[in-house]
Formats: sequence, structure tokens, C-alpha cells
Amino acid sequence: NAGVTQTPKFQVLKTGQSMTLQCAQDMNHNSMYWYRQDPGMGLRLIYYSASEGTTDKGEVPNGYNVSRLNKREFSLRLESAAPSQTSVYFCASSETTGDYYTFGSGTRLTVV
Amino acid sequence: SQQGEEDPQALSIQEGENATMNCSYKTSINNLQWYRQNSGRGLVHLILIRSNEREKHSGRLRVTLDTSKKSSSLLITASRAADTASYFCATRGRGAQKLVFGQGTRLTINP
Repeated sequence: NAGVTQTPKFQVLKTGQSMTLQCAQDMNHNSMYWYRQDPGMGLRLIYYSASEGTTDKGEVPNGYNVSRLNKREFSLRLESAAPSQTSVYFCASSETTGDYYTFGSGTRLTVV
Repeated sequence: SQQGEEDPQALSIQEGENATMNCSYKTSINNLQWYRQNSGRGLVHLILIRSNEREKHSGRLRVTLDTSKKSSSLLITASRAADTASYFCATRGRGAQKLVFGQGTRLTINP
């Protein structure tokens, strides 16, 4: 099915461990985004890529890095996980930055 | 900081009734969008309304936009149990390259 695929769906990390969240879209979209969702906080933008080859910080970039590997893939890396990064992470894509977003099903990350 | 703020935070109604959710924002926008999120799932796009539009319809959904008041409303008519979800408004500011989401309205439809 066409859409945005995120892996893994669930992950438990120990404080200080690193991991990469993977995101791929097959809709030939130019723009991709990473959000985190916390109770009572709505969705907050971590990083985005308006087009292949570009990345920019969002509202809460500290502790994260991203790579726009190609037009399809946009990964999010936690270099040294902290309990404050416990959250649900959503990847999204859009044809351009002005269009509606298609979201993945999310990665539920727990840092202990 | 959040651009859009939804009101109410939670809404519980009987099946068949209409549900109205409101969104207020602070700065000039290019467009405003509404999304639905079922429990444990990703967000699904519902409607996009541009700043020069005042009203849009999609099935049982009606969205209005008042740029003078910097507010929007989402009306769901003849609600169904399957409409139980959280609803988010998101705004794209003029010249901005990304959406900013509000905290959402949690809608419960009681059978």
C-alpha cells in the first residue's frame, strides 16, 4: 500500500544508547518531516526536509540528528538517548511544503 | 510554541448529534488543515482550507475559516461511533515551510 512506512513500531532503549528511526515514503513526495507527540503537548516538529538534499531544524531539535538519504528516505537518529525523549515519533511527507501531510503509523519509544 | 489552539480540549456527545470544534491561531496563514487521529494511530488528513477561502465541505465535514478573527471551526454532522478520535488543526504560516499543530480536541461519540 502506498504511504509512509516507519520502523520500528516499538523500541525500548537504555539511557545513553543510540538508535535510528527509519522512514520511507513511496508517493514521490518532495518534503518529509519528523514530529514527536507527547501527552498534552500535541505534535512538535523536530526536523524537516523541504526537498532532497536539504534539512532544517524544527521546534525541538536538541538531541536529534537527521539524514535525508534520498528522496524516499528520511531517518532520525538519537545519539545518546535520554528519558525526556520517551515519546511517540511520527514521520510525515508531503508533495510540497504547502500541501497536506501523509503520516506514518508512528514509533513508540521508551527510554529507561 | 503552538500556533493553533483547539477548543474544547474534550467533547462527548451522543451518536447522531453534531460536533463542533474550534481552532484559533496567532499569525497570518497560507492555509489551515484539519487532521484526525484514532487511538494509537497516525494522523489522517481531513480538509485543507486556504486563506482566501471561507468554507469547505467534505462529506459530513464542514470547515469554516475567519481570517479576521484568526479562527476556524470543524463541524461533523450526524456523528457516528467511528468518529471517536482526536482532531487537530494545523496552520501553515505565510512563507513558512512546515505545519504547526495544535494540541487537539478529543471527541467521544456515545452510542
